[in-house]
Amino acid sequence: SAVISQKPSRDICQRGTSLTIQCQVDSQVTMMFWYRQQPGQSLTLIATANQGSEATYESGFVIDKFPISRPNLTFSTLTVSNMSPEDSSIYLCSVVTGDSYEQYFGPGTRLTVT
Amino acid sequence: QKEVEQNSGPLSVPEGAIASLNCTYSDRGSQSFFWYRQYSGKSPELIMFIYSNGDKEDGRFTAQLNKASQYVSLLIRDSQPSDSATYLCAPNTGGFKTIFGAGTRLFVKA
Repeated sequence: SAVISQKPSRDICQRGTSLTIQCQVDSQVTMMFWYRQQPGQSLTLIATANQGSEATYESGFVIDKFPISRPNLTFSTLTVSNMSPEDSSIYLCSVVTGDSYEQYFGPGTRLTVT
Repeated sequence: QKEVEQNSGPLSVPEGAIASLNCTYSDRGSQSFFWYRQYSGKSPELIMFIYSNGDKEDGRFTAQLNKASQYVSLLIRDSQPSDSATYLCAPNTGGFKTIFGAGTRLFVKA
């Protein structure tokens, strides 16, 4: 497993602004992902954060809205740009360690857009 | 058809009973199957995985897999109030991308 931290844990932001969420892992990991979980819903994959290259986005998510960086094997950021109330959600970082497919999740960032 | 189907619940069982959580999936290429537990306000936590047809037991948890029927289940024996949570079924079709079901809410009554 891995110890994953996210910052901030929660934030309240105004419409039209941007927020950058950080994900830090205590060891090098194979893969890093960003998910969104809206109230009462399951997890929706936003993108796979690729080390040293552009992230791979899922259908419905675009780089201009959710730019992602992954400068090394233990750290990634997700920015939620030009926010609207519809972006209010919990954003989760997850990682895969080694060559298994088991995923481990960070504690999440609860975002409220007013 | 959804890729992963779970009964949303809530599934209510008395303390000490067996809770049975079911999941069907559409992709026959799925090879690995994971169960995550998510407490309210918390992030998902991996509790079981199974790769082969049959049963896999870990403590009070048993995962059952039938690839021919595209069905995977999780049994929780001697259910405790602390087991009350949402359980997410998550098949993996290869590569590192896992698909998550919507989850079944379990409520264990003391």
